[in-house]
Amino acid sequence: QVQLKESGPGLVQPSQTLSLTCTVSGLSLTSNSVSWIRQPPGKGLEWMGVIWSDGGTDYNSATKSRLSISRDTSKSQVFLKMNSLQTEDTAMYFCARIERDGYYHDYFDYWGQGVMVTVSS
Amino acid sequence: DTVLTQSPALAVSPGERVTISCRASESVSTGMHWYQQKPGQQPKLLIYGASNLESGVPARFSGSGSGTDFTLTIDPVEADDTATYFCQQSWNDPYTFGAGTKLELK
Repeated sequence: QVQLKESGPGLVQPSQTLSLTCTVSGLSLTSNSVSWIRQPPGKGLEWMGVIWSDGGTDYNSATKSRLSISRDTSKSQVFLKMNSLQTEDTAMYFCARIERDGYYHDYFDYWGQGVMVTVSS
Repeated sequence: DTVLTQSPALAVSPGERVTISCRASESVSTGMHWYQQKPGQQPKLLIYGASNLESGVPARFSGSGSGTDFTLTIDPVEADDTATYFCQQSWNDPYTFGAGTKLELK
């Protein structure tokens, strides 16, 4: 049974760095790719980036300069670090497994429950 | 970035057929996927590759389209389908989502 679970601080001060962890079970990170996606309160979804099964990463240019995604395969954990946080970074942060179909279309088939992060002093 | 445009909201009666549209600002081939999100929950995959039903999802849900115009159809609608529905494209970088269509039942 595939499960993903996000964890991290609920409150971060402006200009500080956000660190989140996604702990996965039921799958191996060496053969699965995981993305981070966020959703501001009452708004839509924004894809942030991905760590591929081979360890490579890709980022949305909107946050690329502030964002880093890494992993520890031995602990089945994926990490998100984003610096210089502002109030507009307040959002629910989800991690999700990427699946790829036979036409190389990527979609998110397993999601964590999300962790709410508020940026405020 | 590829912008996905969805109608903000729809209201239908149980038992009716509803179509939710998603228009892309440029072609995404069949790289369009649909999710259902209920309040306080994570999104749930319904349709991938424009028309493929995710395992475990009721056959009342179906998807169609290619290029720039896509639809998610629910037939018949049930009370439990009250939710926000998002489209997502994976053909162009970066992956993008529509703003969502909130489906309410009369």
